[in-house]
Amino acid sequence: NAGVTQTPKFQVLKTGQSMTLQCAQDMNHEYMSWYRQDPGMGLRLIHYSVGAGITDQGEVPNGYNVSRSTTEDFPLRLLSAAPSQTSVYFCASSSRTGGTGELFFGEGSRLTVL
Amino acid sequence: GNSVTQMEGPVTLSEEAFLTINCTYTATGYPSLFWYVQYPGEGLQLLLKATKADDKGSNKGFEATYRKETTSFHLEKGSVQVSDSAVYFCALSDWGAGNNRKLIWGLGTSLAVNP
Repeated sequence: NAGVTQTPKFQVLKTGQSMTLQCAQDMNHEYMSWYRQDPGMGLRLIHYSVGAGITDQGEVPNGYNVSRSTTEDFPLRLLSAAPSQTSVYFCASSSRTGGTGELFFGEGSRLTVL
Repeated sequence: GNSVTQMEGPVTLSEEAFLTINCTYTATGYPSLFWYVQYPGEGLQLLLKATKADDKGSNKGFEATYRKETTSFHLEKGSVQVSDSAVYFCALSDWGAGNNRKLIWGLGTSLAVNP
């Protein structure tokens, strides 16, 4: 069972470079989201999507773009990387219906911006 | 707005000790409550959940009861093991504007269990 798959697991960027973190899920979940995890800050929501073609901003969207062209994929783009974007990024998905809100997480992508 | 507060860590225990990690919440309506666990180097995974008042969630020897009168969802385990060393997150589900699902997270409590 693949669940939520994130790539790459590790990435080092220089300031100003751009990159895309990939996220794919095979559970036919309508809801997908991106979080960043920083020491002492817990999890912070970057962007989320409730279905193909629909995206919205979370708590900390600046510097990131997302798109949702298919149900399965939800890539996160860093347009011009900054050291403040050094973090661990998690993609998560859930069924939109059902009402309980359980999220399924990927294993994370550790990004370092020099 | 809705919020979750959980006890700060780190918590350090000896093997077979009793564990309590406190979690309290502020919410309107009737949210579902969750405990997620993050083992070293991994993503978060659901540990247990409760969807209404007085429900008890349980898994892997952990338990938490949804207490609406005290707005709490404390995590307990009677005898911890070294393999329980992880970070534990309390969360509640919040239906935001437009019927969009969001989870409100606590900051996490790190648990270290020594042999």
